[in-house]
Amino acid sequence: EAGVTQSPTHLIKTRGQQATLRCSPISGHTSVYWYQQALGLGLQFLLWYDEGEERNRGNFPPRFSGRQFPNYSSELNVNALELEDSALYLCASSFEGGRAYEQYFGPGTRLTVT
Amino acid sequence: LAKTTQPISMDSYEGQEVNITCSHNNIATNDYITWYQQFPSQGPRFIIQGYKTKVTNEVASLFIPADRKSSTLSLPRVSLSDTAVYYCLVASGGYQKVTFGTGTKLQVIP
Repeated sequence: EAGVTQSPTHLIKTRGQQATLRCSPISGHTSVYWYQQALGLGLQFLLWYDEGEERNRGNFPPRFSGRQFPNYSSELNVNALELEDSALYLCASSFEGGRAYEQYFGPGTRLTVT
Repeated sequence: LAKTTQPISMDSYEGQEVNITCSHNNIATNDYITWYQQFPSQGPRFIIQGYKTKVTNEVASLFIPADRKSSTLSLPRVSLSDTAVYYCLVASGGYQKVTFGTGTKLQVIP
């Protein structure tokens, strides 16, 4: 069974640009979560999508947004990039009805803002 | 919102049992406690989850006292490959509250 996949692996942008990150959940999983992990720091919860709807978001500005498509894949958009947005962005998915809060993480997208 | 606190780092020799404690004083009735393992440049991997008392699987044990204000992840007989960062997550139904601990960097020494 394929795990959670993310693309691209690395992304380099300049300040002020927009970045788009993509995530494909495990087949059968309907929930997708996004996290930001800055260098040397812990995971910060960004967004949670389930059945195509945004269910919850963390303490991040509105320039962090995303969506979930009918096939449950998801996209994270970061507008007006700032240097401090440089981080590893992790996507996770979970199976509704499976063990509660058990999430499967992808390998992440390393975003570098210069 | 349940804030979690973990030791920043721990060292252990190969073959020893390692116990990592997470403090979550404000845990709510609906909150579950989950532990993840993360290797460098990889996404975290689910280890174990519990609500109360003790949970054991093939990888680890999780001890949760009656007041649920803390939890302890126990790794039996660690090996060098257990060197990683371990995160404690407290989350409630509907994912309305999400708190990852700061993570504990475990270094296993030969």
